[in-house]
Amino acid sequence: EADIYQTPRYLVIGTGKKITLECSQTMGHDKMYWYQQDPGMELHLIHYSYGVNSTEKGDLSSESTVSRIRTEHFPLTLESARPSHTSQYLCASSEYWGTEAFFGQGTRLTVV
Amino acid sequence: EDQVTQSPEALRLQEGESSSLNCSYTVSGLRGLFWYRQDPGKGPEFLFTLYSAGEEKEKERLKATLTKKESFLHITAPKPEDSATYLCAVQAEAAGNKLTFGGGTRVLVKP
Repeated sequence: EADIYQTPRYLVIGTGKKITLECSQTMGHDKMYWYQQDPGMELHLIHYSYGVNSTEKGDLSSESTVSRIRTEHFPLTLESARPSHTSQYLCASSEYWGTEAFFGQGTRLTVV
Repeated sequence: EDQVTQSPEALRLQEGESSSLNCSYTVSGLRGLFWYRQDPGKGPEFLFTLYSAGEEKEKERLKATLTKKESFLHITAPKPEDSATYLCAVQAEAAGNKLTFGGGTRVLVKP
């Protein structure tokens, strides 16, 4: 069973607020990923990380930023939330390139 | 640009009616092709990894196969609990090791 956790599960927040979505894994995985998924739509990669102090942007342009100061922790931050940021955000991790990624349960964000 | 295309977008099956889902990909330096199952409101659940053409993996009623250009997920004698969205993803060295997903196939199995 995958040990990757996202908090909060649900978040409703006002426009202009700064928010941080948390993602932690206890598997010691080097590779971590953030995806954005609207209901019934495909997953879009927004950020990924090779390891500590190494992050890359994904295929979907995003106003969010990420950091990777510790192996187990990969938070995503929105400096100023907007209604267009309303979506589900999914975090994942894998041990190596080419091995399966395990997903958290996601954070459903609503910006009002 | 690397692409992953899944078909059909949606599939309605009667219980026991076997079918196949397709995942076509155009990547260079494939590190792995992955199949996931996703239930509404949840994160994707890992099913299979395939690495090279000719490889096959099986789990209960599901069987995944891989060629140089596509992968198939065969569902044999499906049950209602197999209803879900099935996702295909690829990871390739030439694409910077991004894990890229296709659009998914929504499968509904009616009793």
